[in-house]
Amino acid sequence: DVKVTQSSRYLVKRTGEKVFLECVQDMDHENMFWYRQDPGLGLRLIYFSYDVKMKEKGDIPEGYSVSREKKERFSLILESASTSQTSMYLCASTEGSLGGTGNTIYFGEGSWLTVV
Amino acid sequence: EDQVTQSPEALRLQEGESSSLNCSYTVSGLRGLFWYRQDPGKGPEFLFTLYSAGEEKEKERLKATLTKKESFLHITAPKPEDSATYLCAVLWGGADGLTFGKGTHLIIQP
Repeated sequence: DVKVTQSSRYLVKRTGEKVFLECVQDMDHENMFWYRQDPGLGLRLIYFSYDVKMKEKGDIPEGYSVSREKKERFSLILESASTSQTSMYLCASTEGSLGGTGNTIYFGEGSWLTVV
Repeated sequence: EDQVTQSPEALRLQEGESSSLNCSYTVSGLRGLFWYRQDPGKGPEFLFTLYSAGEEKEKERLKATLTKKESFLHITAPKPEDSATYLCAVLWGGADGLTFGKGTHLIIQP
């Protein structure tokens, strides 16, 4: 089974703090993603990476950055946390291309971040 | 305008009462439509992927179908353990990631 592990399940941070959310996948997947999920808004893509040291902006990248130094690890960074970034953050991974290949995106359990 | 719309937002059924959830999309160049189940406090769990109109897939009490502009998730004789939020997502155009609907919150009462 594919396993996507998010190291922190629940975090409480102060406004202005730098926050790191870590994600590790154990299936040698090429592509990794960070989404946030908010009531009434659904899941929205923040950033994704299709290879080590490569990153692409998703739909809502403002206020976030990412790091992928190793294939299995994808980090989401909030440079200066704000209350508007209180949310559930979901990491996901997939092997190669999604369309028509039988591949799918596998999600981690989520990280609940509260910024006070 | 939302690119992926799920209806209803919430649905309460009695155990054994079959129904369908709808996912309609306005994107062009559909490359795949995905269904996920999400339990409270957990990440989405993959159910199905559909690639072309007319395609159907089944898993236990669930069957997903796809037309040119929408997909249905049919739930036959549901049980309380089927209670969850069901998410629909599309892969379209040149996108690399999925675009999600807001989900249908399903409650099955014993």
